[in-house]
Amino acid sequence: EVQLWESGGGLVQPGGSLRLSCAASGFTFNTFAMNWVRQSPGKGLEWVSGISASGGATYSADSVKGRFTISRDNSKNTLFLQMNSLRAEDTAVYYCAKHRAAVTYPSDYWGQGILVTVSS
Amino acid sequence: SYVLTQPPSVSVAPGKTATITCGGNNIGSKSVHWYQQKPGQAPLLVIFDDSDRPSGIPERFSGSNAGNTATLTISRVEAGDEADFYCQVWDTTSDHCVFGGGTKLTVL
Repeated sequence: EVQLWESGGGLVQPGGSLRLSCAASGFTFNTFAMNWVRQSPGKGLEWVSGISASGGATYSADSVKGRFTISRDNSKNTLFLQMNSLRAEDTAVYYCAKHRAAVTYPSDYWGQGILVTVSS
Repeated sequence: SYVLTQPPSVSVAPGKTATITCGGNNIGSKSVHWYQQKPGQAPLLVIFDDSDRPSGIPERFSGSNAGNTATLTISRVEAGDEADFYCQVWDTTSDHCVFGGGTKLTVL
């Protein structure tokens, strides 16, 4: 059974940093692209970042480029999102999701999400 | 950047057919995926590659894509289908994943 478990969320002040982790199990982690998708309270889904199976290619939304960095440790079956220079508008539930194959494919499994609140 | 446009809401009576559209410039040339999200839950993939269903998704869910509009159709709608639905594509020009704004399906 595929399982994705996010951790590392919480309350952070504007301008601060946070690192999200996503522990994966139930599939061969190093053969699938992964991504982060967020959802602000009461709003729709917003893609944040994606990463290839090897980690050699990364992609990011314009809204987070230069501030957020996606990475993965295939030896530990874990996906990361390093978030710097956080803003109030980054407040959202962050989902870790597995692609069916490469990043151009849809996400077929999602974690339950973790809340990040940026506020003073 | 590529934009996907969905109606904010669609209402349908139980047992009837719900149609949710997703508009985009020449979207027919892209692969469209659809997600269902119920309150407090993570999104669930219900249609991929325009019209394919993942294992476990009822045949009542179907999709099509041509021209500037992709469509998700839910036949014989049930109360349990009430949810937000999002379309999604990969934009090869920007190398970005793009979601539509979402459509709230209400079962009357």
